[in-house]
Amino acid sequence: GQNIDQPTEMTATEGAIVQINCTYQTSGFNGLFWYQQHAGEAPTFLSYNVLDGLEEKGRFSSFLSRSKGYSYLLLKELQMKDSASYLCAVHASGGSYIPTFGRGTSLIVHP
Amino acid sequence: ETGVTQTPRHLVMGMTNKKSLKCEQHLGHNAMYWYKQSAKKPLELMFVYSLEERVENNSVPSRFSPECPNSSHLFLHLHTLQPEDSALYLCASSQEPNRGYTEAFFGQGTRLTVV
Repeated sequence: GQNIDQPTEMTATEGAIVQINCTYQTSGFNGLFWYQQHAGEAPTFLSYNVLDGLEEKGRFSSFLSRSKGYSYLLLKELQMKDSASYLCAVHASGGSYIPTFGRGTSLIVHP
Repeated sequence: ETGVTQTPRHLVMGMTNKKSLKCEQHLGHNAMYWYKQSAKKPLELMFVYSLEERVENNSVPSRFSPECPNSSHLFLHLHTLQPEDSALYLCASSQEPNRGYTEAFFGQGTRLTVV
């Protein structure tokens, strides 16, 4: 089975940097997804990490350490529109190709 | 606007009603999924269809019945639901196999309330 843990809620100030952590335990690992979900809307794909290291995409970066079972999503120059839920999902090997999601981290950005 | 469309967006039904949720994807994908999203809980996978065949059913109660008539359409038939089934039901699609991983595209969901 898989166990995915991320903080329930975080708050940050507009213009700041925030790091959302995700730890996982899984038997077999193929990769890790981050999705963003605004209230009442569909989750949208942000990133996929399969190798250790940092992947940068504009203001958003995602980091993975396979040996530690750890990932984080880094959001820079925060904007009010970044207030959303951020979902970590693990793609495990050995059978189903479907990712398993964590509970999500609700990020609130205030002025 | 997403490539995955769900209808209706909101649904209120009684415990004795029968209703259906509809999902349509315009992305040419060959796999479709139903997820349930309840407050404070992770997204729960309910059903997976790949190439129109059901490949996974995570012990979902029989009061939920999926149907996938073709690769573009997916239904979730509901009957005799319970109040605890109230949740956001999300449909997603992806292309399998795809570069070794699955990037799922989600619809905006149907907010279901069972009274």
